[in-house]
Amino acid sequence: AQKVTQAQTEISVVEKEDVTLDCVYETRDTTYYLFWYKQPPSGELVFLIRRNSFDEQNEISGRYSWNFQKSTSSFNFTITASQVVDSAVYFCALSEVNKGGKLIFGQGTELSVKP
Amino acid sequence: DGGITQSPKYLFRKEGQNVTLSCEQNLNHDAMYWYRQDPGQGLRLIYYSQIVNDFQKGDIAEGYSVSREKKESFPLTVTSAQKNPTAFYLCASSIEGRTGLYGYTFGSGTRLTVV
Repeated sequence: AQKVTQAQTEISVVEKEDVTLDCVYETRDTTYYLFWYKQPPSGELVFLIRRNSFDEQNEISGRYSWNFQKSTSSFNFTITASQVVDSAVYFCALSEVNKGGKLIFGQGTELSVKP
Repeated sequence: DGGITQSPKYLFRKEGQNVTLSCEQNLNHDAMYWYRQDPGQGLRLIYYSQIVNDFQKGDIAEGYSVSREKKESFPLTVTSAQKNPTAFYLCASSIEGRTGLYGYTFGSGTRLTVV
């Protein structure tokens, strides 16, 4: 069965530290998509990135980077030089083809960046 | 601007009452979803609709009902049969509900409290 696990419930760092949020997924499908969303205190989830199962190339966007490794079923998210504005809950999610477009979410990791 | 509007932002329900949460989108998206968020449990799928006049149960549909009479609207009713309705409810939409490729656009959520 499909499942997403974010083992880190809460992480606290000091500003300018690097931090990595872990995501491990389970699926039997060969075609699937992985997502990261950010939920700031306002509550609305904001899309950060999507990767498909055939593209293992790592991606960097400013201070954000993502490491996708099919061999370990992981899709980890790193924030470099963290800032207070990065404080939020971060969700990793999985979708499979022909499953109604449903996203399966991990439990979320609450990141607190202190000045 | 296109987006998803959820109302009300805060809702208080008395024991034994039914309440309806509104979700409207002007993105011309085919698929819509309702999730429930509880602390430490991530997002759990309640109901989803891939097209107008059709919807399916998610993982925790008991005590909830929905309708999809218009493409833009997907209201969620929390019935008195839902034993623990206090939670944060998020509505989302997606361009289509087949491939899982597009991920979601989220509303800002409704926080429901039983008093």
